This record gives sequence, C-alpha cells and structure tokens, in this order.
Amino acid sequence: DADVTQTPRNRITKTGKRIMLECSQTKGHDRMYWYRQDPGLGLRLIYYSFDVKDINKGEISDGYSVSRQAQAKFSLSLESAIPNQTALYFCATSDRDTAYEQYFGPGTRLTVT
Amino acid sequence: GNSVTQMEGPVTLSEEAFLTINCTYTATGYPSLFWYVQYPGEGLQLLLKATKADDKGSNKGFEATYRKETTSFHLEKGSVQVSDSAVYFCALKSSGGSNYKLTFGKGTLLTVNP
Repeated sequence: DADVTQTPRNRITKTGKRIMLECSQTKGHDRMYWYRQDPGLGLRLIYYSFDVKDINKGEISDGYSVSRQAQAKFSLSLESAIPNQTALYFCATSDRDTAYEQYFGPGTRLTVT
Repeated sequence: GNSVTQMEGPVTLSEEAFLTINCTYTATGYPSLFWYVQYPGEGLQLLLKATKADDKGSNKGFEATYRKETTSFHLEKGSVQVSDSAVYFCALKSSGGSNYKLTFGKGTLLTVNP
C-alpha cells in the first residue's frame, strides 16, 4: 500500500462550489504539506503543518483552507472554487529531522469549470 | 529570497545518450540542494542530494555536484534509458531558520526515445 494517499485522484467541479481534497499517510511523519503544480510554474506551497496544532500558510494560501484532523490526515478545502484553481495538487509528508526529504502522494487533478 | 532556475524543456534524447540538466540557484548562506524526479502519473520523489559545497550526490546512475563558486547543481547521467523519461526538479533548502521549506525550480521534462 502507498505511504501517502490522496482522494479523489481526479475531480471536476463548477465555479463557486466547495471542495475538499484529502490526504492520509502511514509514514508516521509529523509534518505535512499541500502544494499545487501548474505547467511552467513548478510546485508552490499552499499550507504546511508541523503537527496537529501547528498550521501555517505557504506562498499561495488565498482561497484555500486546511484541517489537520489527526497526525495522519491533512485536508485541503477550496471554499468557493474558481477556474484559476485548476491544477494538480500534491500532498507531501516529512520527518522532523530530515524535512528536506518529502514524500509525495500521487496527486489530485482538479478542474474548475 | 531563494530561487532556483533550471533549463527549460522539453529535452528529448535517444537511449544511451548523455544527459545534462542545468540548475543554478540564488540563496543566502549555505543551502542544501536536491534533485527530485516525477515519473508519469506519480508524485515527486527524492533522486539525490548534496548538503555542502563540493559534495556529489548520486543515485540510479545520476550525479550532481554542488558548486558554490558557480551556484550550480547540474544533473548528469552518462547513458539514459527510456525508463528515465520523467520531469526533473531542482530544489534547495536554506541553511538558516525553519528547515521545512523547499524551493523548487519549474521542472524539466525529459523524454528518452528507444
């Protein structure tokens, strides 16, 4: 079984809808991250969490919110989706001591029409 | 702030060709440098790393040397295979402050033809 799983893998939604992307990990890591990937822009950090009670904004948090329900679960919500949020979203985890080595999930492809 | 610049793709090679993907960086202090690889339909995974100047990271036949004088970390492989087709990301982690944050380049798509 994969160490970092994301659901759904693909989603098409309409402008204005609320949507939640979920991430679960079995690696036992403290730290979890949400990134979005856009063609030609690389990866940009949306939110990150060092533990259940420590959540921080990344580079591009506007329009997004997160919830760390447990050490193993970290959800990303789009409160009112807009077309420029169409992207590939990745969840990642890392251990506290080797935070540079991040383990990525397979990604969620989100399309907002 | 920190930034990573890598050569734009796509790069298309024939099997057994020599590969170089250029990466340069801007950072204060002494960052650690990484190459991540993203195979089709998958998330990124760490390919190799170097944590100080003149270190050489290597894995799966790929190598990269941390050159502080030229602020570079170019990825090389002597003989590519079709299975190396992927997107390659150069990344850095700054030496000071919080150790969580990776700064990624935009990625370089490599296609290897048989």
